[in-house]
Amino acid sequence: GAVVSQHPSWVICKSGTSVKIECRSLDFQATTMFWYRQFPKQSLMLMATSNEGSKATYEQGVEKDKFLINHASLTLSTLTVTSAHPEDSSFYICSARDQSPDRVTTSSLDEQFFGPGTRLTVL
Amino acid sequence: GQNIDQPTEMTATEGAIVQINCTYQTSGFNGLFWYQQHAGEAPTFLSYNVLDGLEEKGRFSSFLSRSKGYSYLLLKELQMKDSASYLCAVRVSTDSWGKLQFGAGTQVVVTP
Repeated sequence: GAVVSQHPSWVICKSGTSVKIECRSLDFQATTMFWYRQFPKQSLMLMATSNEGSKATYEQGVEKDKFLINHASLTLSTLTVTSAHPEDSSFYICSARDQSPDRVTTSSLDEQFFGPGTRLTVL
Repeated sequence: GQNIDQPTEMTATEGAIVQINCTYQTSGFNGLFWYQQHAGEAPTFLSYNVLDGLEEKGRFSSFLSRSKGYSYLLLKELQMKDSASYLCAVRVSTDSWGKLQFGAGTQVVVTP
């Protein structure tokens, strides 16, 4: 259980176009999902926290108008990189918390489950 | 701000033991995680500590001292497949969403 998928796994686009990345929790409900960006040989940098049915909360320095996040259901969050530029080329990873009642009450672990990532290359 | 420090790289031979240290200074604390990440892949969960002491899980063990803001991940009987980046992450208790703050990662290179 607790599988998170991302689509697409990789994408190449031209500068100025927009790219949408999907993050799905396949077998659990995820009220909260997180979006990270990772540059080569660097750690994960949290971009935003996505909450189902409400606006995302962005980390300092992340442009909310450029990185649009929509968390339309308990199993799906999308990240849209608008007007992408070469400097946006990166590895984008989402994660989700399993907040189903049985898991929350039996474990203080409350771990995040990570998707396989999306490699974005902007030409 | 939040500071999570770990060494950049460590090299060890197959069959040996390696200890990866992580020190943290955060505004709050509600658990420390260790993840393994192979190049181009997502992180996978290794261990979790919220109380002081040692947690053992097969070849991997993790230790936490909250008073010292210190943790380590111990990898025993190293195998070639253990070559990866190891990420230390702290869950900051002041955040109700359970956000994680990650260290920069330690690249472990296992040599024959």
